Amino acid sequence: NAGVTQTPKFQVLKTGQSMTLQCAQDMNHEYMSWYRQDPGMGLRLIHYSVGAGITDQGEVPNGYNVSRSTTEDFPLRLLSAAPSQTSVYFCASSPNRDRAYGYTFGSGTRLTVV
Amino acid sequence: GENVEQHPSTLSVQEGDSAVIKCTYSDSASNYFPWYKQELGKRPQLIIDIRSNVGEKKDQRIAVTLNKTAKHFSLHITETQPEDSAVYFCAARGFQKLVFGTGTRLLVSP
Repeated sequence: NAGVTQTPKFQVLKTGQSMTLQCAQDMNHEYMSWYRQDPGMGLRLIHYSVGAGITDQGEVPNGYNVSRSTTEDFPLRLLSAAPSQTSVYFCASSPNRDRAYGYTFGSGTRLTVV
Repeated sequence: GENVEQHPSTLSVQEGDSAVIKCTYSDSASNYFPWYKQELGKRPQLIIDIRSNVGEKKDQRIAVTLNKTAKHFSLHITETQPEDSAVYFCAARGFQKLVFGTGTRLLVSP
């Protein structure tokens, strides 16, 4: 039982490049989400999913796309990276879509856009 | 949507003292309030949580209190130790979204 696995751990992109941050969980959690963490701003919700085929926007969705084709995977796509997207990205999952408890975080991806 | 404010942004205490971190939330429908500890370079780790039908919860040296009427909740750490030094985040969950405060950097000096 690996929990929530994020890849890669580190990434450097050039402005305008695209990439996908991977997130996978093996706990059969319904709910999955992506956060970005910037100094002094806490963790801000980008997108979330309450189940396979269902996604919705969080506080800061612009510049990011998500999809949830399976319960296990919730990738985050940057279509055209910008320096403002330099951040640490965390994926988190929770067992139940409606009753909040037991959020588990991945180890994070540190992204730098130059 | 939900908005969570957290104070103070930094807190310095001597070992053995108590530390209190306070948060307020805006959405009266929020019903779940976790606290996370994050050490440098690590992921946030849940340390304690409370639901809206409970006023207080304790776990050894850590306690959380919730005042639904005033829409604020607090983290209390007693007998602080140097290993308590970290960034602490409060959060509030309304409908399907967990919203975080901006964090408190706690420094416990020996």
